[in-house]
Amino acid sequence: GIQVEQSPPDLILQEGANSTLRCNFSDSVNNLQWFHQNPWGQLINLFYIPSGTKQNGRLSATTVATERYSLLYISSSQTTDSGVYFCAVASNAGNMLTFGGGTRLMVKP
Amino acid sequence: DTGVSQNPRHKITKRGQNVTFRCDPISEHNRLYWYRQTLGQGPEFLTYFQNEAQLEKSRLLSDRFSAERPKGSFSTLEIQRTEQGDSAMYLCASEAPGGRWQYFGPGTRLTVT
Repeated sequence: GIQVEQSPPDLILQEGANSTLRCNFSDSVNNLQWFHQNPWGQLINLFYIPSGTKQNGRLSATTVATERYSLLYISSSQTTDSGVYFCAVASNAGNMLTFGGGTRLMVKP
Repeated sequence: DTGVSQNPRHKITKRGQNVTFRCDPISEHNRLYWYRQTLGQGPEFLTYFQNEAQLEKSRLLSDRFSAERPKGSFSTLEIQRTEQGDSAMYLCASEAPGGRWQYFGPGTRLTVT
């Protein structure tokens, strides 16, 4: 099956700093989503982005499908950005997601 | 617009007992997915339904696990003869027809003692 690797596994930032999270995947995909898992375990949708670039406030994402990677940019980080960021992909008609191991982000005040 | 709901939120059970979890998807979402997440890992796919039909099952879903979606609305996931290795967060997600986003519920955290 498809493999998904995320880096870095852990990231500590000072409030106001910028960061880039990376997701590599091993095969062509027809779905790529980024999620934020808050400290209570809820997965929050950030982006649906199997290709191209999107922006939503302080967050933006870029997927280069031909090179099989996606990047999530967080600018001017806030303490509420803390949590785990997951990349998930699907390469099947059923849209069954394969998740990466996540990047654990801590933003310090 | 209510999101995906799951009940119970927490379940503690003794090894060997049976447990059942419920997921109520977003209204009119035809696809429903179950995932399992262990501590420090990303969620792993278990099974999914399109309406009432169960179309795919992961090899993670042993014969002690069974899932149903009898009327194409809510779904249940039952684990028989629970083992300590079943301790995890069980997540449900739903997806609209022709949709691309999966929306996740808050999960049911199972602890097997």
